[in-house]
Amino acid sequence: DQQVKQNSPSLSVQEGRISILNCDYTNSMFDYFLWYKKYPAEGPTFLISISSIKDKNEDGRFTVFLNKSAKHLSLHIVPSQPGDSAVYFCAASYNQGGKLIFGQGTELSVKP
Amino acid sequence: SQTIHQWPATLVQPVGSPLSLECTVEGTSNPNLYWYRQAAGRGLQLLFYSVGIGQISSEVPQNLSASRPQDRQFILSSKKLLLSDSGFYLCACRGPGRETQYFGPGTRLLVL
Repeated sequence: DQQVKQNSPSLSVQEGRISILNCDYTNSMFDYFLWYKKYPAEGPTFLISISSIKDKNEDGRFTVFLNKSAKHLSLHIVPSQPGDSAVYFCAASYNQGGKLIFGQGTELSVKP
Repeated sequence: SQTIHQWPATLVQPVGSPLSLECTVEGTSNPNLYWYRQAAGRGLQLLFYSVGIGQISSEVPQNLSASRPQDRQFILSSKKLLLSDSGFYLCACRGPGRETQYFGPGTRLLVL
């Protein structure tokens, strides 16, 4: 059972435009959500997170939105840059035990 | 800050051979440690996590085992590799932030 789903395996956008990556979850107990970025042959790096008590968190060009009623979160990147090209994973947690449930990932390609 | 080392970076092994992947952590003490696998075209699957020396929790039944002989050392092993064990193996350490994890560079394992 896939508790965290990223239904788009890939996304292509033009440099300077907005990139929107989506993530859905099924477990209503999740109370903390994170986005990680991964380049090929490297480990993922933490990007941004959001607690379930918030609906938005912003850090520079990156904003994460959380819609609890829809069990949906999204990552917005504005403006997109070629260096943003990578695989983006969303992850969720619910018990503060440090265990994260990851989605399948979305490969973002930003074209110059 | 924490630094995670993994070796080897790449490994090609025949079916039925044993496996030992090592992960060591610098810059922290008594960390929570995790082993993940990323199979081709799939997300990050948590395999094992450890909250201390000798304490291992398995997340999924499989052909692999983990051990933590020292505070900052985490080892992933198998007695007999299967083709399905191929993938990208990542070691992670819990960071200071809520549920944040830092990942190592990974080991790419190909079982032939």
